[in-house]
Amino acid sequence: NAGVTQTPKFQVLKTGQSMTLQCAQDMNHNSMYWYRQDPGMGLRLIYYSASEGTTDKGEVPNGYNVSRLNKREFSLRLESAAPSQTSVYFCASRPAGAQYFGPGTRLTVL
Amino acid sequence: GENVEQHPSTLSVQEGDSAVIKCTYSDSASNYFPWYKQELGKRPQLIIDIRSNVGEKKDQRIAVTLNKTAKHFSLHITETQPEDSAVYFCAASGNNFNKFYFGSGTKLNVKP
Repeated sequence: NAGVTQTPKFQVLKTGQSMTLQCAQDMNHNSMYWYRQDPGMGLRLIYYSASEGTTDKGEVPNGYNVSRLNKREFSLRLESAAPSQTSVYFCASRPAGAQYFGPGTRLTVL
Repeated sequence: GENVEQHPSTLSVQEGDSAVIKCTYSDSASNYFPWYKQELGKRPQLIIDIRSNVGEKKDQRIAVTLNKTAKHFSLHITETQPEDSAVYFCAASGNNFNKFYFGSGTKLNVKP
C-alpha cells in the first residue's frame, strides 16, 4: 500500500515551458487535491476533485489545469510556466475526514 | 471564502514545557478542524482533528480545543520533546469537506 505517490520529485523548467505533475493514490479515496506551498504561506488549494469525473477550482487556480483520469489518478498541468509558479506542490487524497498527502514535487521555474 | 489565521508564526520552548498554537476562522459553517505536523522536507501528516460537535479531544500529549462561539481552536502539546520540533498547520473545512483552508503555519522549536 503505497498511499499517495507523486512524480517527479524535482523539476526545473524555463519560463514558458509546460509540464504535468502526476499523482496517484491506492487507498480508493474519492476526493483528491492539489496544493502549492510557499514559504510563510501555508498550503493553498489549487484544484480539487470530489469524485471521479469532477474537478473544481480552489483558491489559486490561475495558470493551472487538472485532469481526474480515473479514481486513482489526478494530474496537474502547467501550460506555460512562470517564475511565480516556483513552489512545492503537494497532492492529497481524502476518505471521510482528513487528507493524506503525497511526498511533494519541488518545482523551480527559471 | 474561509480565512484561517494562525499564531504565533514561531514558538520556542524548553524541553518538557507546554506549547500552545492558536487558530481563528471566519466561516461559521466550518465544522472540521485538523492539525498537521510537517517536518523539514517532508509531507504534512495529520496529528489530531476535531469536529464542531466536540469541545476538546486528547491523544496522549496532544490536545485540541474548539470554541465555536469565538471561532477559534487551539493545539496543546504537553511535555514537549525535541522530536516535536516541526512546522504545525491548522486547517478548517466546511459541510462538504471538499475545501480545506490552512493557516500559515507555526514553526515550533523545542530546545533540549
